[in-house]
Amino acid sequence: AQSVTQPDIHITVSEGASLELRCNYSYGATPYLFWYVQSPGQGLQLLLKYFSGDTLVQGIKGFEAEFKRSQSSFNLRKPSVHWSDAAEYFCAVAAVRGAGSYQLTFGKGTKLSVIP
Amino acid sequence: DAGITQSPRHKVTETGTPVTLRCHQTENHRYMYWYRQDPGHGLRLIHYSYGVKDTDKGEVSDGYSVSRSKTEDFLLTLESATSSQTSVYFCAIRSGGTNTGELFFGEGSRLTVL
Repeated sequence: AQSVTQPDIHITVSEGASLELRCNYSYGATPYLFWYVQSPGQGLQLLLKYFSGDTLVQGIKGFEAEFKRSQSSFNLRKPSVHWSDAAEYFCAVAAVRGAGSYQLTFGKGTKLSVIP
Repeated sequence: DAGITQSPRHKVTETGTPVTLRCHQTENHRYMYWYRQDPGHGLRLIHYSYGVKDTDKGEVSDGYSVSRSKTEDFLLTLESATSSQTSVYFCAIRSGGTNTGELFFGEGSRLTVL
C-alpha cells in the first residue's frame, strides 16, 4: 500500500530564511505527487503537483518541489519565507487500485511557524 | 473557488444520534471524496465516489456510509455517532480523467460528538 512520511511535525524559521519541508513516499509505480497548504480553519489549497516530466516543479506562492526517484522524496522548498507562509503543509501521493479507485494518501503534515 | 459547499460547517451532537454531512459541487465533476482530519493523523480517506450511485470504501470507513443520488451531492452519514468520530470532515472533488488529476477541497465541517 502507498504511504507518505513527513518526518518533521513542526518547523520554525525566521522570516526571510530559506525553507525545506521533507516528504518521502512509498508507492510501487510511478507516483503522482502533491503538496497542499492549510491555513487555520481553512480547507486545503494545492501548492503544486508532479505527474511526469521535469522533476523540479514550480507552484504558487513561490514554492517549488523536486522529485527524486532514487530517494523516494518530494521535498518542498522556498528561498525566502514570508510571515504569511505560516500554515500546515501536507504531502500526498496518488494511488490507483482499480477502475475508479484513484485516491490521494496524505502525510501527517508539517506545521510551519515563522518568526518575524 | 472550487465550487464546493459543505453543510453544516459546525455541528455538535450526542453519542448515538445520526448525523448527515452534505457536500455540494457546482462543477459537475464525476469524482468526489470524504476525508477526516485529526491532529497527528493528517487526512484519512473515508469513502469516495466515481459516479452517481458508484461509491467505495476508503481507509477509515467503519461507522460511516455514503450516498450519491445525483452528480452534485455526496452525503456522508454517521448512523450512530460516537465520540471517536469527533473530527473535521473535508469533502473534495477531483478534476482530470479516470486515473489522474488533483483534489480540490471544501472548507470543512467540524463535528463534535459529546
